Amino acid sequence: TQLLEQSPQFLSIQEGENLTVYCNSSSVFSSLQWYRQEPGEGPVLLVTVVTGGEVKKLKRLTFQFGDARKDSSLHITAAQPGDTGLYLCAGAQMGTYKYIFGTGTRLKVLA
Amino acid sequence: NAGVTQTPKFRVLKTGQSMTLLCAQDMNHEYMYWYRQDPGMGLRLIHYSVGEGTTAKGEVPDGYNVSRLKKQNFLLGLESAAPSQTSVYFCASSWARGGTDTQYFGPGTRLTVL
Repeated sequence: TQLLEQSPQFLSIQEGENLTVYCNSSSVFSSLQWYRQEPGEGPVLLVTVVTGGEVKKLKRLTFQFGDARKDSSLHITAAQPGDTGLYLCAGAQMGTYKYIFGTGTRLKVLA
Repeated sequence: NAGVTQTPKFRVLKTGQSMTLLCAQDMNHEYMYWYRQDPGMGLRLIHYSVGEGTTAKGEVPDGYNVSRLKKQNFLLGLESAAPSQTSVYFCASSWARGGTDTQYFGPGTRLTVL
């Protein structure tokens, strides 16, 4: 069974701080996605990375896919209270229609 | 467009009871998925469908059945509910095959089995 481990599991920081969330696996994925989920709602896609070593920026969020396509990171610069939520990574299994989701990182940004 | 909708939003069952969760999407997506979300475990795939009339097992299919008689609907059934099936259930749909396509999620169904 493929696993995607996320770290840290919980993170509470002050507004304006920077943070990085990691998503690691021993398996290779064809692509990797990051989602954010707010209480009482379903996850919403933030970004998809496809190529090993790829870096994508979405305003204050920077996403990186590892060279070997086994891991990924999400870096948030100058966090804001609106960034609060559950962040999930999801890897697409090679040659299938299925996604494996990570264990999640719950972020709280204090004003 | 409503996107992905799920019915019901909340349900409490007694052990051994049965129920069906309904997922509907109005985006003409081919692919649909049922996940369950438990604390500290992320989302786990229960069953999925790659088109009308087709279904396949995911990571945790035991105790669940699914049907996709119409392209826009994906039903998840629990024949004999168990406390271990207490969870939040999410349906998702996507246009193309897994990999780079966006999965659109419904708002979830919170199920408690006593």
